[in-house]
This record gives sequence, C-alpha cells and structure tokens, in this order.
Amino acid sequence: QVQLQESGPGLVKPSQTLSLTCTVSGGSISSGSYYWSWIRQPAGKGLEWIGRIYTSGSTNYNPSLKSRVTISVDTSKNQFSLKLSSVTAADTAVYYCARGYGGDHFDYWGQGTLVTVSS
Amino acid sequence: SSELTQDPAVSVALGQTVRITCQGDSLRSYYASWYQQKPGQAPVLVIYGKNNRPSGIPDRFSGSSSGNTASLTITGAQAEDEADYYCNSRDSSGNHLFGGGTQLTVL
Repeated sequence: QVQLQESGPGLVKPSQTLSLTCTVSGGSISSGSYYWSWIRQPAGKGLEWIGRIYTSGSTNYNPSLKSRVTISVDTSKNQFSLKLSSVTAADTAVYYCARGYGGDHFDYWGQGTLVTVSS
Repeated sequence: SSELTQDPAVSVALGQTVRITCQGDSLRSYYASWYQQKPGQAPVLVIYGKNNRPSGIPDRFSGSSSGNTASLTITGAQAEDEADYYCNSRDSSGNHLFGGGTQLTVL
C-alpha cells in the first residue's frame, strides 16, 4: 500500500520561501508511469493544483503560481519537494502531496500539512 | 477557458439518487476524476476515467460525461456520502485544474 507523508515547517514568514517534502513509502517513486503532485487548500475553500513532476524531472506548474514554484524529486530518498517563494498570507493553506496516474487522476494522497504564513 | 464549474451545494434524500455536475471546455477532450472530501480529511478518489471506481469505493458511485459536462451519480445515497465533492481534469499542456467543489447534504 503506497503512503505519502508531507513534512516541513508549519509557519513561514511573509516574503520567505515555503519548503515542503513528501516522502513516499510502500513503493518506489520511480516505478510505473506515475507523476507526483502538490495540491493545496486554504481553510474553507476548494482544492488548487500547484504542479507535478515525473521522475524524469519533467514538470508542469499551475500558470497562476508558475513564477514562484519549483518542484523537484530525489529518487534516492523516495521523496519529492515543493518550494514556493515570496509567500504571503494568501499562501496559507493545507498542502497535500499526491500520486498521479494516467495523466488524469490522483489515486493516493498524503494526509496534508497546514502551513501558515505569518510574521 | 481553463475552468471547471460545479454547483456549490446539492442535497438529496436518504436512499435517493443525486447527480453532481462539472462543466468545462477541457472535459470535451479529457475525462474528469472525482474526489470525496470529508471534514478534516484528505480527498479520496471515487471515480476516474470513463467510469472507473478504485478498490473499496461502493458501486453506488458512477461517472459519466457528455460534451463539456461530467457527472458523478450516487444511486441510493447514504448518510456517509455527505461530503464535499471535487471534479478534476487536465488541459492539453498537462496542467490539472479542480472544480470549486459541491457540498452534498444527505437529508
């Protein structure tokens, strides 16, 4: 059973960079035709796709966040990571990592981690 | 346009059938996937592809699509189906997008 677990600081100051890591267990991050995504959800609001990465290193980013987002993968650690720069209070949200498959759906999700942007 | 539109709220009587819809241009080319989210929990995939259910998802959940509209149907809604439901699709560049979500109330 594949499991994903987000980790990283729960509090980030405005203008700084938010950094999160997702650790994949129960299977190799490199196996199969999967891709690995970050998705976020502000309190009381809907889901927003941030971006995805294949283990080849190929990435896609939400156009509205593209200038501030970097997603990377470390296959040796079975992890992928998110960096979001120049954060503001609007970036406060629960951040989820998820496994994508078939180009169109997310079959496994992490439990989510709350990141608050505040001084 | 690269948007997916859902009704904000829908209600259904216990045991009855409810359809939750999702509209968007991308749905003319790509399938929607559907996610159930209960308070304080991560979303769970309930439907993907033409009409596929992951293991463990009851067969009262089904999906369909026509033109620019995808639908999630719950046949015989149960109290435990009360949740938020989100559709998701992709565009030709591989970017994903989510609908705004539908809050389902089971009366």
